[in-house]
Amino acid sequence: KQEVTQIPAALSVPEGENLVLNCSFTDSAIYNLQWFRQDPGKGLTSLLLIQSSQREQTSGRLNASLDKSSGRSTLYIAASQPGDSATYLCAVNDYKLSFGAGTTVTVRA
Amino acid sequence: NAGVTQTPKFRVLKTGQSMTLLCAQDMNHEYMYWYRQDPGMGLRLIHYSVGEGTTAKGEVPDGYNVSRLKKQNFLLGLESAAPSQTSVYFCASLDPGRSQETQYFGPGTRLLVL
Repeated sequence: KQEVTQIPAALSVPEGENLVLNCSFTDSAIYNLQWFRQDPGKGLTSLLLIQSSQREQTSGRLNASLDKSSGRSTLYIAASQPGDSATYLCAVNDYKLSFGAGTTVTVRA
Repeated sequence: NAGVTQTPKFRVLKTGQSMTLLCAQDMNHEYMYWYRQDPGMGLRLIHYSVGEGTTAKGEVPDGYNVSRLKKQNFLLGLESAAPSQTSVYFCASLDPGRSQETQYFGPGTRLLVL
Protein backbone atom coordinates (compact mmCIF):
# COMPACT_ATOMS: atom_id res chain seq x y z
CA LYS A 1 0.00 0.00 0.00
CA GLN A 2 1.43 3.32 -1.06
CA GLU A 3 2.04 5.78 1.79
CA VAL A 4 2.58 9.44 0.96
CA THR A 5 3.93 11.88 3.54
CA GLN A 6 4.25 15.63 3.28
CA ILE A 7 6.47 17.69 5.53
CA PRO A 8 5.97 20.23 6.97
CA ALA A 9 2.22 20.22 7.59
CA ALA A 10 2.19 24.02 7.71
CA LEU A 11 4.56 26.77 6.68
CA SER A 12 4.46 30.55 7.14
CA VAL A 13 6.94 32.79 5.32
CA PRO A 14 7.31 36.49 4.52
CA GLU A 15 6.64 37.59 0.97
CA GLY A 16 9.59 37.13 -1.34
CA GLU A 17 11.05 34.11 0.41
CA ASN A 18 11.49 30.87 -1.52
CA LEU A 19 9.28 27.93 -0.52
CA VAL A 20 10.41 24.31 -0.28
CA LEU A 21 7.73 21.64 0.13
CA ASN A 22 8.64 18.02 0.60
CA CYS A 23 6.85 14.82 -0.36
CA SER A 24 7.97 11.23 0.29
CA PHE A 25 6.42 7.96 -0.85
CA THR A 26 7.05 4.33 0.00
CA ASP A 27 6.59 2.47 -3.31
CA SER A 28 8.73 3.65 -6.21
CA ALA A 29 6.65 1.79 -8.83
CA ILE A 30 4.78 4.86 -9.98
CA TYR A 31 3.77 6.24 -13.38
CA ASN A 32 4.02 9.85 -12.37
CA LEU A 33 3.76 12.29 -9.48
CA GLN A 34 1.54 15.34 -9.39
CA TRP A 35 1.49 18.48 -7.32
CA PHE A 36 -1.87 20.14 -6.75
CA ARG A 37 -2.96 23.40 -5.20
CA GLN A 38 -6.16 23.67 -3.18
CA ASP A 39 -7.65 26.92 -1.94
CA PRO A 40 -9.96 26.82 1.11
CA GLY A 41 -13.33 25.32 0.23
CA LYS A 42 -12.32 24.81 -3.40
CA GLY A 43 -11.36 21.98 -5.70
CA LEU A 44 -7.94 20.88 -6.88
CA THR A 45 -5.77 22.69 -9.40
CA SER A 46 -3.03 20.66 -11.04
CA LEU A 47 0.31 22.51 -10.88
CA LEU A 48 2.92 20.12 -12.20
CA LEU A 49 3.09 16.53 -13.33
CA ILE A 50 6.41 14.68 -13.41
CA GLN A 51 6.59 11.45 -15.37
CA SER A 52 8.45 8.61 -13.67
CA SER A 53 11.24 8.91 -16.26
CA GLN A 54 11.76 12.61 -15.58
CA ARG A 55 13.89 14.23 -12.90
CA GLU A 56 12.18 17.60 -12.78
CA GLN A 57 9.48 19.80 -14.26
CA THR A 58 9.20 23.57 -14.33
CA SER A 59 6.36 26.03 -14.79
CA GLY A 60 7.03 29.70 -14.18
CA ARG A 61 8.10 30.16 -10.55
CA LEU A 62 7.40 26.51 -9.78
CA ASN A 63 9.91 23.71 -10.04
CA ALA A 64 9.33 20.14 -8.95
CA SER A 65 11.96 17.43 -8.69
CA LEU A 66 11.52 13.68 -8.49
CA ASP A 67 13.92 11.08 -7.12
CA LYS A 68 12.17 7.73 -7.52
CA SER A 69 14.99 5.70 -6.01
CA SER A 70 14.74 7.54 -2.70
CA GLY A 71 10.96 8.03 -2.92
CA ARG A 72 11.09 11.81 -2.74
CA SER A 73 9.78 14.85 -4.54
CA THR A 74 10.28 18.51 -3.76
CA LEU A 75 8.25 21.48 -4.92
CA TYR A 76 10.10 24.80 -5.04
CA ILE A 77 8.20 28.06 -5.33
CA ALA A 78 10.46 31.01 -6.03
CA ALA A 79 9.85 34.54 -4.72
CA SER A 80 6.65 33.70 -2.89
CA GLN A 81 3.63 36.02 -3.05
CA PRO A 82 0.54 36.32 -0.82
CA GLY A 83 -1.44 34.76 -3.67
CA ASP A 84 0.59 31.58 -3.19
CA SER A 85 -1.16 31.00 0.14
CA ALA A 86 -2.98 27.67 -0.19
CA THR A 87 -2.67 23.99 0.62
CA TYR A 88 -0.32 22.06 -1.63
CA LEU A 89 -0.98 18.36 -2.16
CA CYS A 90 1.38 15.77 -3.54
CA ALA A 91 -0.06 12.66 -5.20
CA VAL A 92 1.67 9.60 -6.64
CA ASN A 93 -0.01 7.86 -9.53
CA ASP A 94 -0.17 4.19 -10.43
CA TYR A 95 -3.51 4.93 -12.14
CA LYS A 96 -4.89 5.42 -8.65
CA LEU A 97 -3.77 8.57 -6.95
CA SER A 98 -2.42 8.30 -3.42
CA PHE A 99 -2.37 11.68 -1.73
CA GLY A 100 -0.35 13.17 1.06
CA ALA A 101 -2.16 15.20 3.73
CA GLY A 102 -0.83 18.44 2.29
CA THR A 103 1.26 21.42 3.34
CA THR A 104 -0.67 24.58 4.20
CA VAL A 105 1.30 27.62 3.13
CA THR A 106 0.79 31.17 4.37
CA VAL A 107 2.74 33.97 2.70
CA ARG A 108 2.73 37.14 4.81
CA ALA A 109 2.67 40.49 3.04
CA ASN B 1 -16.07 20.92 -22.94
CA ALA B 2 -17.51 21.00 -19.42
CA GLY B 3 -14.80 18.62 -18.16
CA VAL B 4 -15.86 16.82 -15.00
CA THR B 5 -19.10 17.91 -13.34
CA GLN B 6 -20.63 16.79 -10.06
CA THR B 7 -24.22 16.90 -8.86
CA PRO B 8 -25.26 18.10 -6.32
CA LYS B 9 -22.79 20.70 -5.04
CA PHE B 10 -24.05 20.51 -1.47
CA ARG B 11 -26.43 18.25 0.42
CA VAL B 12 -27.60 17.74 3.98
CA LEU B 13 -28.81 14.28 4.98
CA LYS B 14 -30.19 12.76 8.14
CA THR B 15 -28.63 9.59 9.50
CA GLY B 16 -30.07 6.58 7.71
CA GLN B 17 -31.14 8.42 4.56
CA SER B 18 -29.85 7.40 1.17
CA MET B 19 -28.58 9.43 -1.73
CA THR B 20 -26.67 9.22 -5.00
CA LEU B 21 -23.90 11.52 -6.15
CA LEU B 22 -23.51 11.90 -9.88
CA CYS B 23 -20.25 12.44 -11.70
CA ALA B 24 -20.24 13.16 -15.42
CA GLN B 25 -17.34 13.70 -17.83
CA ASP B 26 -17.43 14.68 -21.50
CA MET B 27 -13.80 13.83 -22.35
CA ASN B 28 -14.46 10.19 -23.28
CA HIS B 29 -12.15 9.04 -20.47
CA GLU B 30 -12.01 5.35 -19.63
CA TYR B 31 -11.09 5.62 -15.97
CA MET B 32 -13.17 7.35 -13.30
CA TYR B 33 -12.66 7.74 -9.55
CA TRP B 34 -14.43 8.80 -6.37
CA TYR B 35 -12.41 10.31 -3.51
CA ARG B 36 -13.35 11.77 -0.16
CA GLN B 37 -11.49 14.53 1.67
CA ASP B 38 -11.74 15.10 5.39
CA PRO B 39 -10.31 18.08 7.30
CA GLY B 40 -6.53 17.99 7.56
CA MET B 41 -6.25 15.01 5.29
CA GLY B 42 -5.47 14.39 1.69
CA LEU B 43 -7.92 12.71 -0.62
CA ARG B 44 -8.66 9.03 -0.10
CA LEU B 45 -9.89 6.75 -2.86
CA ILE B 46 -13.35 5.22 -2.30
CA HIS B 47 -14.03 3.34 -5.55
CA TYR B 48 -12.87 3.53 -9.12
CA SER B 49 -13.75 2.21 -12.56
CA VAL B 50 -11.48 1.33 -15.48
CA GLY B 51 -14.28 1.14 -18.01
CA GLU B 52 -18.01 0.98 -18.59
CA GLY B 53 -19.59 -1.77 -16.52
CA THR B 54 -16.56 -2.22 -14.24
CA THR B 55 -15.94 -1.04 -10.68
CA ALA B 56 -13.31 -1.73 -8.03
CA LYS B 57 -12.74 -0.90 -4.38
CA GLY B 58 -10.31 1.73 -3.27
CA GLU B 59 -8.88 2.52 0.14
CA VAL B 60 -12.13 3.38 2.00
CA PRO B 61 -15.05 1.59 0.23
CA ASP B 62 -17.21 0.63 3.23
CA GLY B 63 -20.66 2.23 3.27
CA TYR B 64 -20.56 3.17 -0.42
CA ASN B 65 -21.63 1.57 -3.66
CA VAL B 66 -20.91 2.64 -7.21
CA SER B 67 -22.12 2.00 -10.71
CA ARG B 68 -20.74 2.77 -14.17
CA LEU B 69 -23.59 1.94 -16.55
CA LYS B 70 -22.49 4.56 -19.09
CA LYS B 71 -18.93 5.50 -19.91
CA GLN B 72 -19.48 9.18 -19.17
CA ASN B 73 -21.19 8.71 -15.78
CA PHE B 74 -19.98 7.34 -12.45
CA LEU B 75 -22.50 7.18 -9.61
CA LEU B 76 -21.65 7.02 -5.89
CA GLY B 77 -24.39 5.76 -3.60
CA LEU B 78 -24.85 5.94 0.13
CA GLU B 79 -27.50 3.42 1.15
CA SER B 80 -27.75 4.44 4.82
CA ALA B 81 -25.85 7.64 5.56
CA ALA B 82 -23.82 7.95 8.77
CA PRO B 83 -22.26 11.07 10.37
CA SER B 84 -18.82 9.58 9.58
CA GLN B 85 -19.63 10.09 5.90
CA THR B 86 -19.72 13.85 6.33
CA SER B 87 -17.02 14.90 3.90
CA VAL B 88 -16.21 16.56 0.62
CA TYR B 89 -16.44 14.15 -2.29
CA PHE B 90 -14.40 14.59 -5.44
CA CYS B 91 -14.78 12.77 -8.71
CA ALA B 92 -11.97 12.46 -11.25
CA SER B 93 -11.40 10.96 -14.67
CA LEU B 94 -8.36 9.88 -16.64
CA ASP B 95 -7.46 8.83 -20.16
CA PRO B 96 -4.75 6.19 -19.65
CA GLY B 97 -3.73 6.35 -23.31
CA ARG B 98 -2.49 9.93 -23.15
CA SER B 99 1.11 10.66 -22.31
CA GLN B 100 0.33 13.13 -19.56
CA GLU B 101 -1.96 10.70 -17.75
CA THR B 102 -3.26 13.40 -15.48
CA GLN B 103 -6.47 13.04 -13.58
CA TYR B 104 -9.09 15.73 -14.11
CA PHE B 105 -11.09 16.62 -11.02
CA GLY B 106 -14.63 17.84 -10.53
CA PRO B 107 -15.44 20.78 -8.22
CA GLY B 108 -16.54 18.59 -5.32
CA THR B 109 -19.75 17.80 -3.44
CA ARG B 110 -20.06 18.82 0.20
CA LEU B 111 -22.11 16.32 2.20
CA LEU B 112 -23.26 16.88 5.76
CA VAL B 113 -24.87 13.97 7.60
CA LEU B 114 -26.70 14.92 10.78
